[in-house]
Amino acid sequence: AQSVAQPEDQVNVAEGNPLTVKCTYSVSGNPYLFWYVQYPNRGLQFLLKYITGDNLVKGSYGFEAEFNKSQTSFHLKKPSALVSDSALYFCAVRVLMNTGFQKLVFGTGTRLLVSP
Amino acid sequence: DVKVTQSSRYLVKRTGEKVFLECVQDMDHENMFWYRQDPGLGLRLIYFSYDVKMKEKGDIPEGYSVSREKKERFSLILESASTNQTSMYLCASNMDSNQPQHFGDGTRLSIL
Repeated sequence: AQSVAQPEDQVNVAEGNPLTVKCTYSVSGNPYLFWYVQYPNRGLQFLLKYITGDNLVKGSYGFEAEFNKSQTSFHLKKPSALVSDSALYFCAVRVLMNTGFQKLVFGTGTRLLVSP
Repeated sequence: DVKVTQSSRYLVKRTGEKVFLECVQDMDHENMFWYRQDPGLGLRLIYFSYDVKMKEKGDIPEGYSVSREKKERFSLILESASTNQTSMYLCASNMDSNQPQHFGDGTRLSIL
């Protein structure tokens, strides 16, 4: 089945330290990958996407993600975490349905807690 | 800036009621989506629409229907609400599948 996995339910990091939120994918063909963030009582906000090109993708709020084809991973990173980065993070991959339409398949989410 | 507006933030209904959740987008997007979000399960696609009056089933369409009479509005209908439909419901839209989806703030629905 085409899917994404976020192996960590929660990641804890101290403010100012680098952070990594992990995502691995399983799709046929070239993957289209996305990261979204969800703050409390809000919808999801787009952070960045990988479609093709450079393996290091830069996004909003200082986040970046590294695409690694051999490891089928798309980890989200930030060099220096802020307390305000505390939120729920979702990885997603675009998949082709049997009907020919495309949809996003989301991971189960990783809660990031940044301590002061 | 794209705005996706869901008509209610919180909603409480009774088992067996017919429930309508409304979503409006202001960017002339072709595609609109309804998801439900449950802890530990992430987001699951219920239905989506790629054009006015067109709809496609997602992964969990049972117990739901949708309506898209105008391009900017996409409604989710719970035909006969049940307690297992208590959840957070998120609406989203985009112009095409290469573009990111823009989400509303969600409707937290409780079925008693």
